[in-house]
Amino acid sequence: RKEVEQDPGPFNVPEGATVAFNCTYSNSASQSFFWYRQDCRKEPKLLMSVYSSGNEDGRFTAQLNRASQYISLLIRDSKLSDSATYLCVVNVYNQGGKLIFGQGTELSVKP
Amino acid sequence: DAGVIQSPRHEVTEMGQEVTLRCKPISGHDYLFWYRQTMMRGLELLIYFNNNVPIDDSGMPEDRFSAKMPNASFSTLKIQPSEPRDSAVYFCASSSTGYGYTFGSGTRLTVV
Repeated sequence: RKEVEQDPGPFNVPEGATVAFNCTYSNSASQSFFWYRQDCRKEPKLLMSVYSSGNEDGRFTAQLNRASQYISLLIRDSKLSDSATYLCVVNVYNQGGKLIFGQGTELSVKP
Repeated sequence: DAGVIQSPRHEVTEMGQEVTLRCKPISGHDYLFWYRQTMMRGLELLIYFNNNVPIDDSGMPEDRFSAKMPNASFSTLKIQPSEPRDSAVYFCASSSTGYGYTFGSGTRLTVV
């Protein structure tokens, strides 16, 4: 079983739609959680950290459920520029600075 | 800050040749990571350093791969001899606390 699992998609949605991505992680010692965005043929970039209480950054909302070992990302009012691959990422307490990346979920926003 | 700088951006080489990928981390960052990305396997951590010392190289696929960090501003990933299955994008990343990595633009390696 992979340490971080995501639905690879692709998710094809119209502009303005709300879309949600889910992610599960296997190691209960995971302590930090992130969403990264990767555009085609580019490097991954940090989109937002995920906090236990849930957090929002503009149109983006991240949620964490430690009991279920589940992370989500909600994008509201999606834009064409949101088209990218979204990577779920965890850091495990006893593995130092190492981040574990999910396979990514591809999003395509259409006009 | 120029960010994490990787070179070359693209590398095409013949099977059996030695390949050296280079990385300059962000000044002041004490962690450096080498990742490989393929369609099939996604992003895989190969090795990471803390204060120039290798901490975890369990992701290095085999002895053909080696990585060094002689000082805080430079690291190399070497493949010798290279094989077609090594074709991938290799990313270097650095961070100051182990969180919130900054990635370089990557090196796209093609072994023919």
